[in-house]
Amino acid sequence: AQSVTQLDSQVPVFEEAPVELRCNYSSSVSVYLFWYVQYPNQGLQLLLKYLSGSTLVKGINGFEAEFNKSQTSFHLRKPSVHISDTAEYFCAVTGSGGYQKVTFGTGTKLQVIP
Amino acid sequence: EAQVTQNPRYLITVTGKKLTVTCSQNMNHEYMSWYRQDPGLGLRQIYYSMNVEVTDKGDVPEGYKVSRKEKRNFPLILESPSPNQTSLYFCASRQQGAGTEAFFGQGTRLTVV
Repeated sequence: AQSVTQLDSQVPVFEEAPVELRCNYSSSVSVYLFWYVQYPNQGLQLLLKYLSGSTLVKGINGFEAEFNKSQTSFHLRKPSVHISDTAEYFCAVTGSGGYQKVTFGTGTKLQVIP
Repeated sequence: EAQVTQNPRYLITVTGKKLTVTCSQNMNHEYMSWYRQDPGLGLRQIYYSMNVEVTDKGDVPEGYKVSRKEKRNFPLILESPSPNQTSLYFCASRQQGAGTEAFFGQGTRLTVV
């Protein structure tokens, strides 16, 4: 069984400030990790993913995330946010190999304040 | 353009009246899934399909049916909707393989009164 925990349901941050959205996972097998973004009234779209290799993953729109196996975390960061980053962000995990169910976290709403 | 298309986008219905939400993808993906999104609960998988004629239950399948007669289509059927099925529904597809990106439809907001 696998699970994802996003402890922060909402994160307010001022424009041009840095932000970190936290994600912790639990799994008994090797994992692949994802961050998806949902803009208002839209479906989810992929921001970035970690499959293997370098633990620092860069994604679209200036976001990056770091895989930390010992802390079972995959936190999302951006050094300077824009108003357009206001959205809900979902962390997701899946096991490696074959068909594996994707488990999503409960989401974090990022509110960028002008 | 690669996309997942859901219809309708918005639907208000009455308890017990059968409805179908359609989902179609043009990327020849093997895997398709239905999710419901509720505040504070994130996305929960309802049903998934690994290929034509292969479907299985997700985490919250009660009250729902699906079929996969063609690779591109994966309709969600509510045979007797109830108010607790009021939610935002998403269809998603992805290529075979564990690390593949999921492509989502625009969502269907369903209200059952």
